[in-house]
Amino acid sequence: ETGVTQTPRHLVMGMTNKKSLKCEQHLGHNAMYWYKQSAKKPLELMFVYSLEERVENNSVPSRFSPECPNSSHLFLHLHTLQPEDSALYLCASSQDPNPTDTQYFGPGTRLTVL
Amino acid sequence: LAKTTQPISMDSYEGQEVNITCSHNNIATNDYITWYQQFPSQGPRFIIQGYKTKVTNEVASLFIPADRKSSTLSLPRVSLSDTAVYYCLVGENTDKLIFGTGTRLQVFP
Repeated sequence: ETGVTQTPRHLVMGMTNKKSLKCEQHLGHNAMYWYKQSAKKPLELMFVYSLEERVENNSVPSRFSPECPNSSHLFLHLHTLQPEDSALYLCASSQDPNPTDTQYFGPGTRLTVL
Repeated sequence: LAKTTQPISMDSYEGQEVNITCSHNNIATNDYITWYQQFPSQGPRFIIQGYKTKVTNEVASLFIPADRKSSTLSLPRVSLSDTAVYYCLVGENTDKLIFGTGTRLQVFP
C-alpha cells in the first residue's frame, strides 16, 4: 500500500459515455498527478496539481478534464473518448511538485474504450 | 529536455547482480536521477535517487559518473520477485518530468 488509492480499478465505457476516475491520497502531500500509460509506450504526464491549483497540462485533449477539489482528492472526468484512449491511468502524489520529491503511485485504473 | 535511453529488456538468473544503464546525455545541472520499478498493472514504485557519485539503500545502488551523462542501477542478488520494468527518470522541473521507455527485467530460476 502506497497511501494512494484509485477507483475504479477497471472501467469499460463507450465513446459517448461520461465517467470519472477518482484518486485519493492519505499522505498529506501537496502535489497530485495524472499519468497515462499505453501499451509499449512510456508513462505520459497529463496533469499536475499543487495545492489544488493546476500547474501543468501537457497538451492533453479537452475530452480529459481534471478536477482537484482539495489536496487529498483528484478526479479525471472523461467524455466522448476514443478507442486509442484505452490505457492504464495512474495517479500519484508527492510532498511538493518537485521532481526531487518521491512520487507515490496508486494502483491505476485500467480503462477500455469501446 | 533531458531524454533518457535504456535497454528494452534484460534477462538474469536468481542470485545474480543486475546492472541497468540509462543514458541521459542532455541532463541539466540541477537534474536529479530517479529510478522506479513497476509490476504489471501497478503504479511505479520509487527505488532510488541520486545526483552524483554513488548512492546505496536497502534495495539497490546507483552509480553516476562524473559527467552525469549516464547512470547505472545495480540490483544485488536478484530474485524472481524482481521481475519488473525499471524506469530511469531525469527532471528538474515538473514540465520536464520524463520517464524513459523502461527496461523489462526478467529473472529466471
